[in-house]
Amino acid sequence: DGGITQSPKYLFRKEGQNVTLSCEQNLNHDAMYWYRQDPGQGLRLIYYSQIVNDFQKGDIAEGYSVSREKKESFPLTVTSAQKNPTAFYLCASRFEMNTEAFFGQGTRLTVV
Amino acid sequence: GQNIDQPTEMTATEGAIVQINCTYQTSGFNGLFWYQQHAGEAPTFLSYNVLDGLEEKGRFSSFLSRSKGYSYLLLKELQMKDSASYLCAVRDLISASKLTFGTGTRLQVTL
Repeated sequence: DGGITQSPKYLFRKEGQNVTLSCEQNLNHDAMYWYRQDPGQGLRLIYYSQIVNDFQKGDIAEGYSVSREKKESFPLTVTSAQKNPTAFYLCASRFEMNTEAFFGQGTRLTVV
Repeated sequence: GQNIDQPTEMTATEGAIVQINCTYQTSGFNGLFWYQQHAGEAPTFLSYNVLDGLEEKGRFSSFLSRSKGYSYLLLKELQMKDSASYLCAVRDLISASKLTFGTGTRLQVTL
């Protein structure tokens, strides 16, 4: 079945540690995105990538890093520089010539 | 940049009609999306407007006026399962890959 998979669903980390969130899609989509959602809030764009080996900062990129070495994969690293990392992280992908974005089920990150 | 505004919360009665508004200011507009998100879940796509007018899809309709920077989502024959957040998102003209979301409207459907 085609889809977009995020893992793990829940993640706990100690303050000061870097952590990498996985996002894989087998939809042959060109564009991939990372969003952050805080309780009762909308989605804020962290990074996005239109093609392999290229990505752009979104509105809240500070303290995050990404890579796009393969079309299927767009991992997000939450670094220790991110001051408020506890949040719900959503990955999405879109076929460039198409319109809607499809979302993964999200990773809820808690930093203690 | 882009600025997208939606009401924070709305309440409506089962069986009624509700209209959720979205206004946007953007340096370049290339389409507007509506998504539904149940608590703790991923957003799911509802509708897409790029030209002015009304798009109807079953109980859901979406309207766009580009000159006014305004859209609304209309939900008819409300059901309890429609209780969710509704997110408006705008696609950038220059970077067509960039999607910016509003803060979302939390809709509560009551008996």
